Amino acid sequence: GESVGLHLPTLSVQEGDNSIINCAYSNSASDYFIWYKQESGKGPQFIIDIRSNMDKRQGQRVTVLLNKTVKHLSLQIAATQPGDSAVYFCAEITRLAFGKGNQVVVIP
Amino acid sequence: DVKVTQSSRYLVKRTGEKVFLECVQDMDHENMFWYRQDPGLGLRLIYFSYDVKMKEKGDIPEGYSVSREKKERFSLILESASTNQTSMYLCASSSLGTGGVDTQYFGPGTRLTVL
Repeated sequence: GESVGLHLPTLSVQEGDNSIINCAYSNSASDYFIWYKQESGKGPQFIIDIRSNMDKRQGQRVTVLLNKTVKHLSLQIAATQPGDSAVYFCAEITRLAFGKGNQVVVIP
Repeated sequence: DVKVTQSSRYLVKRTGEKVFLECVQDMDHENMFWYRQDPGLGLRLIYFSYDVKMKEKGDIPEGYSVSREKKERFSLILESASTNQTSMYLCASSSLGTGGVDTQYFGPGTRLTVL
């Protein structure tokens, strides 16, 4: 079947290296951001969130950074594993705005 | 853990048929959403609901309707399916949270093909 990853920017990363995925937003009043992971044929899965009163939030192997000055959000995945291969997209939930996503391909 | 289920993973229908997509969540969430997802376009909001019997149009409501008779169930209806409605349909739910919205949890999706 079709993949949601078609026509998306692709990040190829060696297993064990760190991955960085970026997202830009336009509304300076944006308040609540979420990163989702979507594997082929599955629904999006919550990874980590951050609110606008924070600059950084860490989870297990993942870190989200929020730069409100330049309206930029990033997701860092440490020690990338083959199971991290998926489409990752950001969302601004108060405005129901979703990024188109980035395909991450982990090379064993 | 939040669980959002969708009635079918794969569905094949013919042009002109009436199609029902069902979504059920088990976390007593107030908000429920229907999106479609097409390659390279990201998620597009069709309809959402903040309460039972309440519905709001999203960005692309044309050709769709919804029903929310019970808090846990949100149905998407294609009144007369067309080939351009072939897509992956995703349901999501969330609690009210801060400012009326909170983390959205998604179902596994229904891949609908209209022939």
